[in-house]
Amino acid sequence: GQQLNQSPQSMFIQEGEDVSMNCTSSSIFNTWLWYKQDPGEGPVLLIALYKAGELTSNGRLTAQFGITRKDSFLNISASIPSDVGIYFCAGQAPGTYKYIFGTGTRLKVLA
Amino acid sequence: EAQVTQNPRYLITVTGKKLTVTCSQNMNHEYMSWYRQDPGLGLRQIYYSMNVEVTDKGDVPEGYKVSRKEKRNFPLILESPSPNQTSLYFCASRRGGASHEQYFGPGTRLTVT
Repeated sequence: GQQLNQSPQSMFIQEGEDVSMNCTSSSIFNTWLWYKQDPGEGPVLLIALYKAGELTSNGRLTAQFGITRKDSFLNISASIPSDVGIYFCAGQAPGTYKYIFGTGTRLKVLA
Repeated sequence: EAQVTQNPRYLITVTGKKLTVTCSQNMNHEYMSWYRQDPGLGLRQIYYSMNVEVTDKGDVPEGYKVSRKEKRNFPLILESPSPNQTSLYFCASRRGGASHEQYFGPGTRLTVT
């Protein structure tokens, strides 16, 4: 089936630093989604992107839907300790109601 | 409180013993889905349901069954569990239409020995 390649797999950063992660696909998606999963909990939606080229912010988070519709990136500015968790990209496969998730980026913030 | 609930939260069972993991949502959502999460593989969709009596396979449906007899409930059934089904399972729901915001349950950690 379709796969989403997410990088990096993990990151250790200092508090206050900016973070960037991305997601690529071998096929196009009509929707890109970014989720965060805190330890011991289910994922929570951060940002949803619906159009190629779209740039959307949610507080310190900014995400973009790539022009080719095969990639997306998420930036976190001025990281804080509560940003710790696993970040997943996801997309809805065109013509289906299925969701494909990336393998996740594990973020650790050092105070 | 709007939520998705799953039961049980933890389950240890033996190979071949049928089990059911329940999922219920109180938001009147049309779409419900089951995922499994495994280290290094992210979340993979098992089955989803667009509405009552409408279900379809996700990417990894083998060894699982689902049913959607009521809008609020979407149980996951393992008729003959095997060790490779040891995983963390999440149920999720969302409104119908263009909304993609899925609300996830707290997860069920299943171990099959």
